[in-house]
Amino acid sequence: SYVLTQPHSVSVAPGKTASLGCAGKNIGGKSVHWYQQKPGQAPLLVIYSDSDRPSGIPERFSGSNSGDTATLTISRVEAGDEADYFCQVWDSSTDPVVFGGGTRLTVL
Amino acid sequence: QVQLQESGPGLVKPSGTLSLTCTVSTGSMTGYYWGWIRQSPGKGLEWIGVVHNTDSSFYNPSLKSRVTISLDMSKTQFSLNLTSVTAADTAVYYCAGSLSISAAGFAYWGQGTLVTVSS
Repeated sequence: SYVLTQPHSVSVAPGKTASLGCAGKNIGGKSVHWYQQKPGQAPLLVIYSDSDRPSGIPERFSGSNSGDTATLTISRVEAGDEADYFCQVWDSSTDPVVFGGGTRLTVL
Repeated sequence: QVQLQESGPGLVKPSGTLSLTCTVSTGSMTGYYWGWIRQSPGKGLEWIGVVHNTDSSFYNPSLKSRVTISLDMSKTQFSLNLTSVTAADTAVYYCAGSLSISAAGFAYWGQGTLVTVSS
């Protein structure tokens, strides 16, 4: 089955840029979606189709995808960005919907 | 704006069947993929399955033998049945919706409901 690997945790100072990776074989050929989940809340879609933002998501959130790694970038990080972030793809050949294990973003 | 709300028992006995319903606040469920995702305490997200009004459906291979997801378009609801449950099925269960399961991700989520499997 297709596997997505994310670092367990990333720490960043307020105002700096956070880069969260999501590794998968030839992930650049798939459409990657990113979710933000704060404690006690449902996940929130922040990036879809590699780099598109749903309505209401700040421009500080951006995404890219190439080769074996997709990246969620959060610019000018704020305390309110502290959350778990999950990547997700559609893989029609095996497990259609696959989630990464998630990265906990800590704002120092 | 599409809103989703899960409902169902919060406690299920081992070997029993977990049944949840998701009510969708939109005029029509047509054209969307509707599905279920769960999260064990302190763990990541696990996809269970999705269905579409065209009778297209996809299930997590590890759960497929125990899962049924069905739509009731007239009630704007969809449901999850998970049979032969064990303690490992204890989790927060989310219902979710997507315009395109491959290209759009799950844009709509319920608040989640905790289901505990215990005698």
